[in-house]
Amino acid sequence: ILNVEQSPQSLHVQEGDSTNFTCSFPSSNFYALHWYRWETAKSPEALFVMTLNGDEKKKGRISATLNTKEGYSYLYIKGSQPEDSATYLCAFSGTSYGKLTFGQGTILTVHP
Amino acid sequence: DTGVSQDPRHKITKRGQNVTFRCDPISEHNRLYWYRQTLGQGPEFLTYFQNEAQLEKSRLLSDRFSAERPKGSFSTLEIQRTEQGDSAMYLCASTLSTGTSLGEQFFGPGTRLTVL
Repeated sequence: ILNVEQSPQSLHVQEGDSTNFTCSFPSSNFYALHWYRWETAKSPEALFVMTLNGDEKKKGRISATLNTKEGYSYLYIKGSQPEDSATYLCAFSGTSYGKLTFGQGTILTVHP
Repeated sequence: DTGVSQDPRHKITKRGQNVTFRCDPISEHNRLYWYRQTLGQGPEFLTYFQNEAQLEKSRLLSDRFSAERPKGSFSTLEIQRTEQGDSAMYLCASTLSTGTSLGEQFFGPGTRLTVL
């Protein structure tokens, strides 16, 4: 059974704070690690797909790093804004056909 | 809108009834996935299609569940004799896969099923 764990489960920050979340996953049979942002009543939105150990990706104020040897990824949000409030999901792919195993998510609330 | 669409968005049914959900993927995408999310958990894989072929089914998919993707286009997920434990958000995702490339999966907004 694959175990993908995210921490913390929930997080409350003030507007302007920087924050980060952790995703841990199996270090064997690794194909890719996905990060998604899921706002209430909307579709999950892909943030990053990471495949190489040491990968660092950035999209605006959001960035992510990947360590496949030790099985973890960090997602960073710089200068959080209320519109960043969402559930952030990481998903591990251990197959070539893209089957995803998700963590339980981190619920971020950014207070104005 | 060229994203993944799902219909209906919400479904309330009584225990024992059959329900069917539809997913329309992005038109050129050859892989289609179904996931289920229950409260407090991340989405869990149910099944996936490569074009019209269903290539893997999770143990979560009991014999009351059936999925199809005729002609490799839209997909349907049917649940027969629904139980209260089937209450969940059912998500569909699609991707264009060539060889072993692993692109992002594009998700639909989901169908929320409530079984009374």
